[in-house]
Amino acid sequence: NAGVTQTPKFQVLKTGQSMTLQCAQDMNHEYMSWYRQDPGMGLRLIHYSVGAGITDQGEVPNGYNVSRSTTEDFPLRLLSAAPSQTSVYFCASRQLRDRGPYEQYFGPGTRLTVT
Amino acid sequence: AQKITQTQPGMFVQEKEAVTLDCTYDTSDPSYGLFWYKQPSSGEMIFLIYQGSYDQQNATEGRYSLNFQKARKSANLVISASQLGDSAMYFCAMRASNDYKLSFGAGTTVTVRA
Repeated sequence: NAGVTQTPKFQVLKTGQSMTLQCAQDMNHEYMSWYRQDPGMGLRLIHYSVGAGITDQGEVPNGYNVSRSTTEDFPLRLLSAAPSQTSVYFCASRQLRDRGPYEQYFGPGTRLTVT
Repeated sequence: AQKITQTQPGMFVQEKEAVTLDCTYDTSDPSYGLFWYKQPSSGEMIFLIYQGSYDQQNATEGRYSLNFQKARKSANLVISASQLGDSAMYFCAMRASNDYKLSFGAGTTVTVRA
């Protein structure tokens, strides 16, 4: 079980460039989400998904797109990178079956710098 | 909307002593769950402990315990017998039972001194 994987680990972009952060999980979790972590602000939810074909916005969705074509993958797209998107990005997943309190499992993070 | 407040940006604790990390939350939902995560300097997020709003007893996991005071909307994490490896950032988080989203506080950095 690889758990939640993210690629790349590090990325530097120029303002205006686009890129996709990849996230995959092999635990058959229905719920997947993307957070960004900035100093002093904790983790803020960008987008989330409760299953293939279903996505919704979180607290800070502007400038980011997501899609969920399979249970395993949940890529995050930056269409036109801005310096304000410099951050550490975490993907997380959890199961929704049985309506339990299940904790979220996090990927290792992607450190993104936009110059 | 849920709001989680961690008022201590940083704390120092002596090795082998206990430390309490404060967390208060604000929600109108009667049923919810509270989580604590640890983030060491390597960056990964590690789940530590969970408390349900209807749980009768405070949660414990090894050296971690949760001091849950529902009326005060407080869910403080207690780390007993601190070790050097406990030096990390700690996040309090909450999710309402009828919501998918997990909301986080700003975090508290703990430094354990030898």
